Amino acid sequence: DVKVTQSSRYLVKRTGEKVFLECVQDMDHENMFWYRQDPGLGLRLIYFSYDVKMKEKGDIPEGYSVSREKKERFSLILESASTNQTSMYLCATTRQTTYEQYFGPGTRLTVT
Amino acid sequence: AQSVTQLGSHVSVSEGALVLLRCNYSSSVPPYLFWYVQYPNQGLQLLLKYTTGATLVKGINGFEAEFKKSETSFHLTKPSAHMSDAAEYFCAVSDRPGGGADGLTFGKGTHLIIQP
Repeated sequence: DVKVTQSSRYLVKRTGEKVFLECVQDMDHENMFWYRQDPGLGLRLIYFSYDVKMKEKGDIPEGYSVSREKKERFSLILESASTNQTSMYLCATTRQTTYEQYFGPGTRLTVT
Repeated sequence: AQSVTQLGSHVSVSEGALVLLRCNYSSSVPPYLFWYVQYPNQGLQLLLKYTTGATLVKGINGFEAEFKKSETSFHLTKPSAHMSDAAEYFCAVSDRPGGGADGLTFGKGTHLIIQP
């Protein structure tokens, strides 16, 4: 079974703080994704990585950056958290040759 | 670019009744289609997928979906709803393996409510 873990289930941060969300997978998948989930908006792609140190912007990258120094680990960074970044953040992984994505449990981030 | 439309942000059915969640997609190439389920405060779990071959796809927990190219639809059904089916359901489409820079394109979700 694919296992995707995220560093925190719930996180509360203050406006202006730097926030790190970490995702780790144990299946040697090449592709990793960060999505943001908001009620009524579904899931929106923030960033995508297809290899170590390689990344591409998704639909809503503004205010976010990512880091992938090791194949199994993909970090999402909020450089200066704002209240409009309060959301559920979901990490997903897949092989380059398959179709379905495997999701972590999510991190519910609240910025006050 | 692809898109997904899920009809009805909330669907309520009685326990034991038929569940029908609607999904229509647009894609310029043959699509790969998915249904995911999300229970409260959890990540997404794959229910079923269509890639190629048989258009009627069976998934976990008694769900199935039928790919209808002429209608650009991939509706999710279950003959008899159970209380444990209450969750958020997402339809998603991809036009390539691995998702690529577009990832999966998701619908906005349908919240399934089961009435006792």
